[in-house]
Amino acid sequence: EVQLVESGGGLVQPGGSLRLSCAASGFTFSSYDMHWVRQGTGKGLEWVSAIGTSGDPYYSGSVKGRFTISRENAKNSLYLQMNSLRAGDTAVYYCARSRNLDVWGQGTTVTVSS
Amino acid sequence: QSALTQPASVSGSPGQSITISCTGTSSDVGSYNLVSWYQQHPGKAPKLMIYEGSKRPSGVSNRFSGSKSGSTASLTISGLQAEDEADYYCCSYAAFNTWVFGGGTKLTVL
Repeated sequence: EVQLVESGGGLVQPGGSLRLSCAASGFTFSSYDMHWVRQGTGKGLEWVSAIGTSGDPYYSGSVKGRFTISRENAKNSLYLQMNSLRAGDTAVYYCARSRNLDVWGQGTTVTVSS
Repeated sequence: QSALTQPASVSGSPGQSITISCTGTSSDVGSYNLVSWYQQHPGKAPKLMIYEGSKRPSGVSNRFSGSKSGSTASLTISGLQAEDEADYYCCSYAAFNTWVFGGGTKLTVL
């Protein structure tokens, strides 16, 4: 079964850091671009970042310079290092597969609050 | 990049057809055939319903169809059913390996 499972969410103070992980299974992880998408409470979906099969990273303007996406193909894992967190980063963070975002995880919740 | 524009809400009765629009610009929807549509029920992860403008993933009902004209993409749901009630989001490639979502549309089945 094709599956994505996010982890690493939690409560963090403004200015703090958090690292999210996404464990992939059921498909050849190294062959797919991967994405992070977030959704604030009661809000719409927002594309955050993507990484190509060769490891090239891409970011939305709202997180560029603060977030770093990476992947470890040997571990079938995707990561999102989030630094200088702000209240506006509070959201459920989803990882998704491919340019069509055809498979999604269940999400992990990040809350930035003092 | 700015979010794609969707109506906040649409509604229809069972058996009817509805269409949700998604308006972008020449920098995203208008330039690429990479528009996708997602269905999201409350508390659940989004589910891909349409990709590359008009293609349906395996397992998605043929009541769902997609199209595009210029910088506006559309999702049509025919034979509306109660389980179609959900939020729907469009998404488009927006150049330089970035993507942009629409604000979402809440579908109510009357």
